[in-house]
Amino acid sequence: DTAVSQTPKYLVTQMGNDKSIKCEQNLGHDTMYWYKQDSKKFLKIMFSYNNKELIINETVPNRFSPKSPDKAHLNLHINSLELGDSAVYFCASSQAGSEAFFGQGTRLTVV
Amino acid sequence: AQSVTQLDSHVSVSEGTPVLLRCNYSSSYSPSLFWYVQHPNKGLQLLLKYTSAATLVKGINGFEAEFKKSETSFHLTKPSAHMSDAAEYFCVVSEGSSGTYKYIFGTGTRLKVLA
Repeated sequence: DTAVSQTPKYLVTQMGNDKSIKCEQNLGHDTMYWYKQDSKKFLKIMFSYNNKELIINETVPNRFSPKSPDKAHLNLHINSLELGDSAVYFCASSQAGSEAFFGQGTRLTVV
Repeated sequence: AQSVTQLDSHVSVSEGTPVLLRCNYSSSYSPSLFWYVQHPNKGLQLLLKYTSAATLVKGINGFEAEFKKSETSFHLTKPSAHMSDAAEYFCVVSEGSSGTYKYIFGTGTRLKVLA
């Protein structure tokens, strides 16, 4: 069983479209995250949720809207996609600051 | 705020020779530190973690790291590189408290292993 799974793995879409990425973890962790990896491989936190509550929002444009229906799921919806949104998006989960477990990533390409 | 600095963006070693990937951290208290590896087009895999127990931490695939408070360093080593070790390596520090933790990544070191 995959600990943190996200779908889709690849997403190619046109500018202006709206898209969603889904994430699920089966580790029973309380905290989930979205990270963005840019073309230079740098990873930066976007959001964190703890028990469905938004905890961290790192100055992400409001076109990005995370949603956590329960503590095992954290989805990311992006409106009006722009070229600069092209990146790899990683979902992760952790418990009490121990190591984070990452999904396989979603490579988003905006054309 | 805490931070980590990876001192080398690229490291090349020959197969069978030692690997040293350098990481310095900035923290006002005893941090939790991690090393992750990312193979091309793959996700992030935990190699090892330091959480204020033994200062020499052993990880998977023969990697280890030593926490040195006096030098604020957490360098990653492996005695003998293998071709399969070629990947991007990230030093990470966690910051926060109950429910508010986040993981701060270094800029990464790309390890190349030469045959």
